[in-house]
Amino acid sequence: SQQGEEDPQALSIQEGENATMNCSYKTSINNLQWYRQNSGRGLVHLILIRSNEREKHSGRLRVTLDTSKKSSSLLITASRAADTASYFCATAYTSGTYKYIFGTGTRLKVLA
Amino acid sequence: EPEVTQTPSHQVTQMGQEVILRCVPISNHLYFYWYRQILGQKVEFLVSFYNNEISEKSEIFDDQFSVERPDGSNFTLKIRSTKLEDSAMYFCASFPTEVTGTAGLRRGFGDGTRLSIL
Repeated sequence: SQQGEEDPQALSIQEGENATMNCSYKTSINNLQWYRQNSGRGLVHLILIRSNEREKHSGRLRVTLDTSKKSSSLLITASRAADTASYFCATAYTSGTYKYIFGTGTRLKVLA
Repeated sequence: EPEVTQTPSHQVTQMGQEVILRCVPISNHLYFYWYRQILGQKVEFLVSFYNNEISEKSEIFDDQFSVERPDGSNFTLKIRSTKLEDSAMYFCASFPTEVTGTAGLRRGFGDGTRLSIL
């Protein structure tokens, strides 16, 4: 399976703390994206990192990619209660048909 | 900013009935997808569509499912005879090319249609 796996499955932190989520995948990728999903809602695109990039920032988000370890991490700094959501990584593969495969997700809860 | 739009946002259907979920991809995009997410579970790939034909489908996408791009703008997913286990959120996605830039990618996924089968 090409599916990504996120860990932890669930994370509970206090407001103001940093949250780190990890994603691992199995085969070579073209790019990797992180999405946020509030309960029962749509997918909100957060950030895309290409396979030749190692780190990207967007506001309070920092994403790293280690292609040798086939893993990525999403760091949310100075978390807020509004960051409470599920976070998914989605990996784009170039072998076969181009498509995104989603990981299992991390449920983040930020306590006020 | 262009975005993928899906209608309806919520569809309630009796088991055994046919349902059509509609999507309007971003203009000039070439690759189209349907994904499914059963409540509380991961987002699963159903089917990809390119050059007016299915390019890949998953095991979930059995003979009860079909996709169509009838008029060059809409992209539809049809479930012929719905089952209780078809209840899920269905997401449509479109992308411009295989190697995508960030422009236009932010709204590559629609907000989804919640399908409830009774």
